[in-house]
Amino acid sequence: AQSVAQPEDQVNVAEGNPLTVKCTYSVSGNPYLFWYVQYPNRGLQFLLKYITGDNLVKGSYGFEAEFNKSQTSFHLKKPSALVSDSALYFCAVRGDSYGNKLVFGAGTILRVKS
Amino acid sequence: DTGVSQDPRHKITKRGQNVTFRCDPISEHNRLYWYRQTLGQGPEFLTYFQNEAQLEKSRLLSDRFSAERPKGSFSTLEIQRTEQGDSAMYLCASSDTLAGVGNEQFFGPGTRLTVL
Repeated sequence: AQSVAQPEDQVNVAEGNPLTVKCTYSVSGNPYLFWYVQYPNRGLQFLLKYITGDNLVKGSYGFEAEFNKSQTSFHLKKPSALVSDSALYFCAVRGDSYGNKLVFGAGTILRVKS
Repeated sequence: DTGVSQDPRHKITKRGQNVTFRCDPISEHNRLYWYRQTLGQGPEFLTYFQNEAQLEKSRLLSDRFSAERPKGSFSTLEIQRTEQGDSAMYLCASSDTLAGVGNEQFFGPGTRLTVL
């Protein structure tokens, strides 16, 4: 079975500092990895994905993520956090032998303080 | 706005009643998904359609739940004889097939169901 772990319920960071939101996964076969962000009372917004190729992928709003196959991780990063980045972040995985469904982690609340 | 839309946004019902939700995907997308999200959890997959064919169903989808996508466009999710445990946010997403398994799914705003 495929699964995703987001070990931190909440991450606090000061505005202007770099941020990291952690994600590890378990899947048979090739993983397809995604990050989504959810603002209050809104649906999930796609940020970025890793399918194949370069391990560092860049996405929306200055976010990037690094795929590490040996550590089965896909951590979300941003060099300089903004207060407006405060939201709920979800990591998701789809294995190539598991059809099209996404399996999500429990989410990490990011709080950026000014 | 050409994103995924869902209706209603909120639904309050009494236990034992039936409810139906609608999802309109992005027009050129042929795949449509339903997920359920409870407080403090990530979305959980319920079912998915490619065009009008329902290709996968989760074990979470009990026989009280039924989903349709009759013409390969909009979809409905019906819950019969609702229970308090059905209270959740029901999310719809859509994607195309142009990039194979690498396609991201685009989510609607969700329908929040409260069963009293």
